[in-house]
Amino acid sequence: AAGVIQSPRHLIKEKRETATLKCYPIPRHDTVYWYQQGPGQDPQFLISFYEKMQSDKGSIPDRFSAQQFSDYHSELNMSSLELGDSALYFCASSQGLAGFQETQYFGPGTRLLVL
Amino acid sequence: GQSLEQPSEVTAVEGAIVQINCTYQTSGFYGLSWYQQHDGGAPTFLSYNGLDGLEETGRFSSFLSRSDSYGYLLLQELQMKDSASYFCAVRPSNDYKLSFGAGTTVTVRA
Repeated sequence: AAGVIQSPRHLIKEKRETATLKCYPIPRHDTVYWYQQGPGQDPQFLISFYEKMQSDKGSIPDRFSAQQFSDYHSELNMSSLELGDSALYFCASSQGLAGFQETQYFGPGTRLLVL
Repeated sequence: GQSLEQPSEVTAVEGAIVQINCTYQTSGFYGLSWYQQHDGGAPTFLSYNGLDGLEETGRFSSFLSRSDSYGYLLLQELQMKDSASYFCAVRPSNDYKLSFGAGTTVTVRA
């Protein structure tokens, strides 16, 4: 079965640089979620989109922005990178709003290292 | 806000049974989910309880008591491959995100 695809899988950036992470949800899934997971931490919700509109916002820094495109893929743009941004970034997708579909399917993650 | 509590670590031998408890305090509640995450991997959905009671999926079972704001994940016939972190997660009724507990690291020994 098709799964959530994330690219790139690994990314190394310098401080103050920008990064763009991409997420391709499972076909026919219309909701995308972004999570950030630091070492030894639980995933922290950043932002979500339903039908290309932002549906919820969590602890996403103002330096980050995201959008969902007409083909339902999503991109997380990160600017002025800081050392503390080093983490695993997961994208998850579900069919319908999470209230009606509790199962979120996670992608393999993008490991970002900021030097 | 949301608060979930689960034990940080559990160690058991192959073939044993492990129960991971999760208590929560949330502003609203749709249900309790459980995710498994191997080191460096992605969280993988295990089970979901929207109503009180027991849900069984193979060797894994999950239980929910809404009145007690409590749930648990039961891992039976433990195998070495079950060594992983297990997260409980809730969705408050007024949000779309999942709020995760801190995770329980399960170590299975031979």
